[in-house]
Amino acid sequence: GDSVTQMEGPVTLSEEAFLTINCTYTATGYPSLFWYVQYPGEGLQLLLKATKADDKGSNKGFEATYRKETTSFHLEKGSVQVSDSAVYFCASGTASKLTFGTGTRLQVTL
Amino acid sequence: DTAVSQTPKYLVTQMGNDKSIKCEQNLGHDTMYWYKQDSKKFLKIMFSYNNKELIINETVPNRFSPKSPDKAHLNLHINSLELGDSAVYFCASSQEEGGITDTQYFGPGTRLTVL
Repeated sequence: GDSVTQMEGPVTLSEEAFLTINCTYTATGYPSLFWYVQYPGEGLQLLLKATKADDKGSNKGFEATYRKETTSFHLEKGSVQVSDSAVYFCASGTASKLTFGTGTRLQVTL
Repeated sequence: DTAVSQTPKYLVTQMGNDKSIKCEQNLGHDTMYWYKQDSKKFLKIMFSYNNKELIINETVPNRFSPKSPDKAHLNLHINSLELGDSAVYFCASSQEEGGITDTQYFGPGTRLTVL
């Protein structure tokens, strides 16, 4: 079946540091790929998405590029802020459902 | 202006009880979902409904029964609650069925604690 693998957290960074959260997927066919973010005490929100190979999704300074050759969709941000502290979920969408990774907690400190 | 709402936000109950969680979306979406998030934050789909019809039923115990009175509502009823049912349950909706390109909008979650 489909699966999504994310790097284990927590990831702790100082403000203005560079962020990478790795995500790889296995899927039959060509999935759409998503990053969702969950702030403390809230539900998940879409952060960005890409629907085909080589597409780059971007939002709020975060970026991820759909790499079919490496089956990856790594999340990056050049300069994190304390307000970015949250849990980040990578997901692949095929057929009739989303498959989520296990989530990566990001903690940004001053 | 809440897009996807769930009630209650917190639910604490004894083992063996029956409880329900309600979900409503005002986005006009055709598809709704229930997810379970365990204590390690792992998120797994349980059910999805499209226009009141069941589309996905993952390997969920029969004690869980979703009910969709109309396409704006998808309620989750749980019979004979067990300790392992303790989790956060998220409702979500999307315009179209599935995860190909469509964004899913999530509710705030219901934290269920079974004692």
